[in-house]
Amino acid sequence: QKEVEQDPGPLSVPEGAIVSLNCTYSNSAFQYFMWYRQYSRKGPELLMYTYSSGNKEDGRFTAQVDKSSKYISLFIRDSQPSDSATYLCAMTQDSNYQLIWGAGTKLIIKP
Amino acid sequence: ETGVTQSPTHLIKTRGQQVTLRCSSQSGHNTVSWYQQALGQGPQFIFQYYREEENGRGNFPPRFSGLQFPNYSSELNVNALELDDSALYLCASNTRQVAYNEQFFGPGTRLTVL
Repeated sequence: QKEVEQDPGPLSVPEGAIVSLNCTYSNSAFQYFMWYRQYSRKGPELLMYTYSSGNKEDGRFTAQVDKSSKYISLFIRDSQPSDSATYLCAMTQDSNYQLIWGAGTKLIIKP
Repeated sequence: ETGVTQSPTHLIKTRGQQVTLRCSSQSGHNTVSWYQQALGQGPQFIFQYYREEENGRGNFPPRFSGLQFPNYSSELNVNALELDDSALYLCASNTRQVAYNEQFFGPGTRLTVL
């Protein structure tokens, strides 16, 4: 079993829809939770970072962490075709330690 | 401010050969991490360099080695290439501090081993 599980998709939704992306994990020591976006042939870029449990909102993006269930989510409101990319979750137990990644979910927003 | 750059962009090698990939860290960053990303997978941590010393290593064999230079740029060397080494190799830089700090990624080097 992988430490971090993420549905690879693809997830295809119409423009304007609310998108929900999720990851589950097994290591209860993880404290830092990140969502990255990766466009084709590019490196990942950080979208959201959350420490411990709770919610964090940034514009159209909301990240949620439920440590009791070992489950994290990223919500995208008013999705746009430019949001089409692969979304990767990553997490770590220490800010200076290695990131453990999910496999990424390919998201397609249809105009 | 210059971002993380990597060279070359693409590389084709044959099995058994050796390869060197290069990374220039973002200005002001003293830590470089290398990741291997196979097609359709998330990145896998190879190792991290902090102030020219290896500071953590993932589950990769010794034929994966690296260097960090005084200007904090870095190299990843892979000896005795295998077909499974075909992947996107990502370099990320950041500055070590107590609180979490973002790793900034370069565009990657795509290595194909034939």
